[in-house]
Amino acid sequence: DADVTQTPRNRITKTGKRIMLECSQTKGHDRMYWYRQDPGLGLRLIYYSFDVKDINKGEISDGYSVSRQAQAKFSLSLESAIPNQTALYFCATSDRTGGNTDTQYFGPGTRLTVL
Amino acid sequence: AQKITQTQPGMFVQEKEAVTLDCTYDTSDPSYGLFWYKQPSSGEMIFLIYQGSYDQQNATEGRYSLNFQKARKSANLVISASQLGDSAMYFCAMREPYSGSARQLTFGSGTQLTVLP
Repeated sequence: DADVTQTPRNRITKTGKRIMLECSQTKGHDRMYWYRQDPGLGLRLIYYSFDVKDINKGEISDGYSVSRQAQAKFSLSLESAIPNQTALYFCATSDRTGGNTDTQYFGPGTRLTVL
Repeated sequence: AQKITQTQPGMFVQEKEAVTLDCTYDTSDPSYGLFWYKQPSSGEMIFLIYQGSYDQQNATEGRYSLNFQKARKSANLVISASQLGDSAMYFCAMREPYSGSARQLTFGSGTQLTVLP
């Protein structure tokens, strides 16, 4: 089984709809992240969480919200989806005890299309 | 200014040959980490290799090695003995501990590598 899972893997929705993307991990990591990737670009950070009670905005948090329901679960919500939120969304995790590397491991991605 | 620059949008290499993917970075922090990720056409992001700014040796992981030139602020990925399965997009990323978003990864725009049979 994959260490980091994302549901759904693909989603098509309409402008104005509320969407939730979910991420679960079995790696036992305390840190979780949400990124988006637009065609031809690298990944940009939306939100990150260092533990259940710690939520932080990333580079592009406008239009998004998150919930860290448990150490292993981190959800991303689009309250009112708009077409320019069409992108590939990645969840990632890292381990505080991983020393200086703090390597992030990514889920398989969710491809979201907003019509 | 771009923090991570990958100047090669696309690269071609013959199977079994070595290839170097370029990455330059910009930071004023003495403590940082550099990462390379592979993204196949299926879309997932796969961690390949890590280099810390204080590491004395260049990082190696199997067929992957990182040519770290600190003074030139470059962290090029070298893939030896290329295989068809190496065809993918490759991203360089940097982590700075004291950036606006602590421990955020900043990604370059990627290099699309195609391995030719």
